[in-house]
Amino acid sequence: QKEVEQDPGPLSVPEGAIVSLNCTYSNSAFQYFMWYRQYSRKGPELLMYTYSSGNKEDGRFTAQVDKSSKYISLFIRDSQPSDSATYLCAMSPGLNTGTASKLTFGTGTRLQVTL
Amino acid sequence: NAGVMQNPRHLVRRRGQEARLRCSPMKGHSHVYWYRQLPEEGLKFMVYLQKENIIDESGMPKERFSAEFPKEGPSILRIQQVVRGDSAAYFCASSPTGDGGQPQHFGDGTRLSIL
Repeated sequence: QKEVEQDPGPLSVPEGAIVSLNCTYSNSAFQYFMWYRQYSRKGPELLMYTYSSGNKEDGRFTAQVDKSSKYISLFIRDSQPSDSATYLCAMSPGLNTGTASKLTFGTGTRLQVTL
Repeated sequence: NAGVMQNPRHLVRRRGQEARLRCSPMKGHSHVYWYRQLPEEGLKFMVYLQKENIIDESGMPKERFSAEFPKEGPSILRIQQVVRGDSAAYFCASSPTGDGGQPQHFGDGTRLSIL
């Protein structure tokens, strides 16, 4: 079993839809949770960065972390064609664990927003 | 561009040759990480370095791969005697601290092709 599971998609939605992307994980030591967006032939671009459980909102993006269920989500409101990309979840252990800087990624979900 | 700079963007090598990948971190960042992305897979951690020190190399293959981050100049990921299985995208990331409290920012990667 992988440490981080993510549905690879592809996920196709019409412009303006609300998109929900999810990851589950098995390692209870994970404390920091990130979402990256990756366009084709480019590097991952940081979208959201959260610590422990709770919600965080930034513009059209909302990240949710439920540590009790080991489940994280990214919601995109009013999706645009420019949101078409691969979305990667990533996570790392807490401070002072010796491996705090080692990110573990999901395999990514491909999103296509159509006109 | 004040982001993470990687070069070359594309590198073609024949089996048995050496590949050298370079990474200059963001200004003010002294912590560098290397990840490898195989087709249809997520990014996999390889190594974490600070200036002149390897902090965590738990993701590095035991043979043929090495990394350095000298006092002056970029970080180098070196692959000796390349084989077809080394074909992948190699990404570098940097952060201002190494405790997980600051997110990692990625470059656009080097795509290595082995003939």
